Amino acid sequence: GENVEQHPSTLSVQEGDSAVIKCTYSDSASNYFPWYKQELGKRPQLIIDIRSNVGEKKDQRIAVTLNKTAKHFSLHITETQPEDSAVYFCAASLPLTGNQFYFGTGTSLTVIP
Amino acid sequence: EAQVTQNPRYLITVTGKKLTVTCSQNMNHEYMSWYRQDPGLGLRQIYYSMNVEVTDKGDVPEGYKVSRKEKRNFPLILESPSPNQTSLYFCASSRTVHSYEQYFGPGTRLTVT
Repeated sequence: GENVEQHPSTLSVQEGDSAVIKCTYSDSASNYFPWYKQELGKRPQLIIDIRSNVGEKKDQRIAVTLNKTAKHFSLHITETQPEDSAVYFCAASLPLTGNQFYFGTGTSLTVIP
Repeated sequence: EAQVTQNPRYLITVTGKKLTVTCSQNMNHEYMSWYRQDPGLGLRQIYYSMNVEVTDKGDVPEGYKVSRKEKRNFPLILESPSPNQTSLYFCASSRTVHSYEQYFGPGTRLTVT
């Protein structure tokens, strides 16, 4: 199966600074890479995703980059705000018989006002 | 309102007593999935279903059963729960197996004593 590793496990940044979270995956057949944000006590919510035929995608302050050769992808948040504080999960989708999803272990981001 | 619902939201039970956690979506989604979330381990996929009567194992299926008799419902069955199944469980759905964006339910916190 797939193995997704996520770093760092915790990240603190000053408000207005940028935050970067990195993930690696092991199976080159994985073709879809979503990022989820989970606020305390809430359900995960998709914030951005990228497919394997794209190298970069941006949505306002959030961007994701994918390096298929190195099998890693990263989440970039610019101009961080206190409401960005949450746990962020990366994931990889492996289209075998259906679609299996493998998640990273999460990054707890704290934005200090 | 488009949503994924789960019941119960909280459950405390004893080892060996069969239980079912229900999941229902009103978006006519084909793909549904169950995850468990444990501290430090992220989300791990238990089972998924690509459509009615089509289910397959995820990464951690041992000790769980599922069924998909109707498109909107995807119950998770623990026939003989054990303490290591104490966890936070999420159901999720997406429009098709290829549309990828998953919508998560509110979660079910299960404690097995």
